[in-house]
Amino acid sequence: QQPVQSPQAVILREGEDAVINCSSSKALYSVHWYRQKHGEAPVFLMILLKGGEQKGHDKISASFNEKKQQSSLYLTASQLSYSGTYFCGTVPDGGATNKLIFGTGTLLAVQP
Amino acid sequence: DAGVTQSPTHLIKTRGQQVTLRCSPKSGHDTVSWYQQALGQGPQFIFQYYEEEERQRGNFPDRFSGHQFPNYSSELNVNALLLGDSALYLCASSSDWSGGTKAFFGQGTRLTVV
Repeated sequence: QQPVQSPQAVILREGEDAVINCSSSKALYSVHWYRQKHGEAPVFLMILLKGGEQKGHDKISASFNEKKQQSSLYLTASQLSYSGTYFCGTVPDGGATNKLIFGTGTLLAVQP
Repeated sequence: DAGVTQSPTHLIKTRGQQVTLRCSPKSGHDTVSWYQQALGQGPQFIFQYYEEEERQRGNFPDRFSGHQFPNYSSELNVNALLLGDSALYLCASSSDWSGGTKAFFGQGTRLTVV
């Protein structure tokens, strides 16, 4: 039931782009994206709702394909501050909960 | 506006002991969820409290229990600690419990059981 994220890890140079994928075997109501730096709390990035549009702010955006139960997080022109582990948290279809089922995580390292 | 605060930040306990972790939600939030995060893993849902009641529970044994107070703060209690309970315990608060509501996490309590 745990969503699968890919890739498991990625190393970038500053200014490069990255895509992180989150795939679930269950129908989803929403996908929540978080970034967690080592030893710190997960920081909320964005929510994508079933039937909603692609979202984004600054150079981070995301999409949600309901039919495939997949979401992708797009990081463009990466900065050093983007380094961390990215988690998707999924909510099963129905939406009567915000209990999150977190994915396996993607470690992103941005180098100068 | 203070975010979600947890105490203590670190804790070392011996097997068989009991522990209580505390969480104060973000101002205006009435729903508190607890997660356990093992090293290198994603957070796993323990339970959620709303209006002082446990409204949803994950796949954790009864040794894990909780409480929510009238001011919406919450406690997580773990009895008969096992080595495998060593983890980062995260508290998340939200303004309600619908699937479209964002949750904000505290910095966590790092529990080590020896």
